[in-house]
Amino acid sequence: GDSVTQMEGPVTLSEEAFLTINCTYTATGYPSLFWYVQYPGEGLQLLLKATKADDKGSNKGFEATYRKETTSFHLEKGSVQVSDSAVYFCALSVTGGYQKVTFGIGTKLQVIP
Amino acid sequence: ETGVTQTPRHLVMGMTNKKSLKCEQHLGHNAMYWYKQSAKKPLELMFVYSLEERVENNSVPSRFSPECPNSSHLFLHLHTLQPEDSALYLCASSQEGTGFQETQYFGPGTRLLVL
Repeated sequence: GDSVTQMEGPVTLSEEAFLTINCTYTATGYPSLFWYVQYPGEGLQLLLKATKADDKGSNKGFEATYRKETTSFHLEKGSVQVSDSAVYFCALSVTGGYQKVTFGIGTKLQVIP
Repeated sequence: ETGVTQTPRHLVMGMTNKKSLKCEQHLGHNAMYWYKQSAKKPLELMFVYSLEERVENNSVPSRFSPECPNSSHLFLHLHTLQPEDSALYLCASSQEGTGFQETQYFGPGTRLLVL
């Protein structure tokens, strides 16, 4: 079946550090790939997505590139802020009448001043 | 109200109680989802409703009973729960049938504690 693997964390970085959160996947067919973010006390929000190989999703300074050859979708940000502290979920979806989404375990990011 | 709302935000119940979680989406979507979020585990998809019909039930125990009276509302009825059912229950919605893989929009969740 489909699966998503990401580092569990927590990841602790100083403000303005470079961020990478690794994500790899296994899927049948050609999934779309997503990064969702969950701030404390809130639900998940879409951060970015990519729907086909070599697509780059970007939002709020975060980027991820759909790498079919390595089945990866790593999240990066050049300079993190304290306000980026949250849990980040990598996910994939395949459409079959409705959107079936498979989530990773989530990576907690803590950014310290 | 905008987006996806859930009530209550927090719920404490005994194992013999009956309670219901409510979700409402204000986005005009035609599909709604219940997920369970437990510590150190991936989100678990529980139920999916598309066009008000249940299309997926992921081996969820019968003590959880979903209801979708219309495309904007989704309920999760709870009875005789176990302590291991304590978790964050998230509702989501999406617009299906467009031929594109649309984003799911999540509510803030209901934090459930079963004593």
